[in-house]
Amino acid sequence: KQEVTQIPAALSVPEGENLVLNCSFTDSAIYNLQWFRQDPGKGLTSLLLIQSSQREQTSGRLNASLDKSSGRSTLYIAASQPGDSATYLCEDNNLFFGTGTRLTVIP
Amino acid sequence: DAGITQSPRHKVTETGTPVTLRCHQTENHRYMYWYRQDPGHGLRLIHYSYGVKDTDKGEVSDGYSVSRSKTEDFLLTLESATSSQTSVYFCAIGGGQKNTEAFFGQGTRLTVV
Repeated sequence: KQEVTQIPAALSVPEGENLVLNCSFTDSAIYNLQWFRQDPGKGLTSLLLIQSSQREQTSGRLNASLDKSSGRSTLYIAASQPGDSATYLCEDNNLFFGTGTRLTVIP
Repeated sequence: DAGITQSPRHKVTETGTPVTLRCHQTENHRYMYWYRQDPGHGLRLIHYSYGVKDTDKGEVSDGYSVSRSKTEDFLLTLESATSSQTSVYFCAIGGGQKNTEAFFGQGTRLTVV
């Protein structure tokens, strides 16, 4: 069975800190990997899509990398803000999600 | 927002009754999906569709059926609702193909009593 694992399950950081969220997947034949954020009681918002031919993708303060050979992706958030507080999920585009990392940024 | 509408947004139903959830899209995407989200389990795929009348099972399909008679609508039916099907259900479109983002609806909170 394919699995997607996210570590840590929860993370609390002071405002302004740079941080890294991790996603591991077992299917090395993925097409691409997508990162989402989910606010409490809301749907998922797409953040970044990394194609299998790419190694990283950037949007504003967010940078996501993909290493298919090791089955890992990381989401880097620079200069974190309280508005970044949410749950972050990765999906391996073969329709499997990780259980997420719940991020709290403390003002 | 990627034009996805789920209805209803909230529903309470009794055990043993059939329930149908609707997902409507205005983006003309070929792929549509139904997920459920539960504490401790994250998001799990129930069924997905790769075209009109073309559907396939996901990880947790038992007790659910789907239909897609038009590109824009994907229906999820709980044939005989059970308390274990109390969950938040999400519809998504896109994905399923190389280089295509997936977009999600706002969810339907279903309670089976």
